[in-house]
Amino acid sequence: DSGVTQTPKHLITATGQRVTLRCSPRSGDLSVYWYQQSLDQGLQFLIQYYNGEERAKGNILERFSAQQFPDLHSELNLSSLELGDSALYFCASSVGDRGDPDTQYFGPGTRLTVL
Amino acid sequence: DQQVKQNSPSLSVQEGRISILNCDYTNSMFDYFLWYKKYPAEGPTFLISISSIKDKNEDGRFTVFLNKSAKHLSLHIVPSQPGDSAVYFCAATGNNRKLIWGLGTSLAVNP
Repeated sequence: DSGVTQTPKHLITATGQRVTLRCSPRSGDLSVYWYQQSLDQGLQFLIQYYNGEERAKGNILERFSAQQFPDLHSELNLSSLELGDSALYFCASSVGDRGDPDTQYFGPGTRLTVL
Repeated sequence: DQQVKQNSPSLSVQEGRISILNCDYTNSMFDYFLWYKKYPAEGPTFLISISSIKDKNEDGRFTVFLNKSAKHLSLHIVPSQPGDSAVYFCAATGNNRKLIWGLGTSLAVNP
């Protein structure tokens, strides 16, 4: 158990809909990262927040947005969903800002299926 | 364009033998490389890393070798155990510390 929790575990929805994925980082971690893993793309970094502020951006679509709240939990919002958005979405957390890659702790993921 | 490539989607090894997982990269600005292990229904967990100033890093049964001129790294597991059966991801990063991931290699260690 990494200490990072993600809800829900599974999500099935229809094209055009909007969903929210939730992540609670490990106690004491200030950084949260979101990743997308689809079958043919491997893990893709989406976005990082540090202590409530956006710190780094990766291959995140404009239809997607995220935020980190004062209690440090984070939400990833996916809107106007398309079939291709079906994937596993992972959240990771780390203590610091620089996010030393070998100290990122991953949650179990949310499997999103868009029908 | 895959900057980090794991060309073998799967590998099968006998228990007690050596497992060698390979990874190639294209970006010469990468200076830190990592291996993560992933079991089904779990997130990736960090396994071992290597900085570009080294060519080898060892941690117990796991050794990572880096060949910068060939832009190639490999993970050796000796001896392999059934509990090592998992998907192994190679990842690389540069100054911005954004992790770039390979597609993974599924290792099966057979008793």
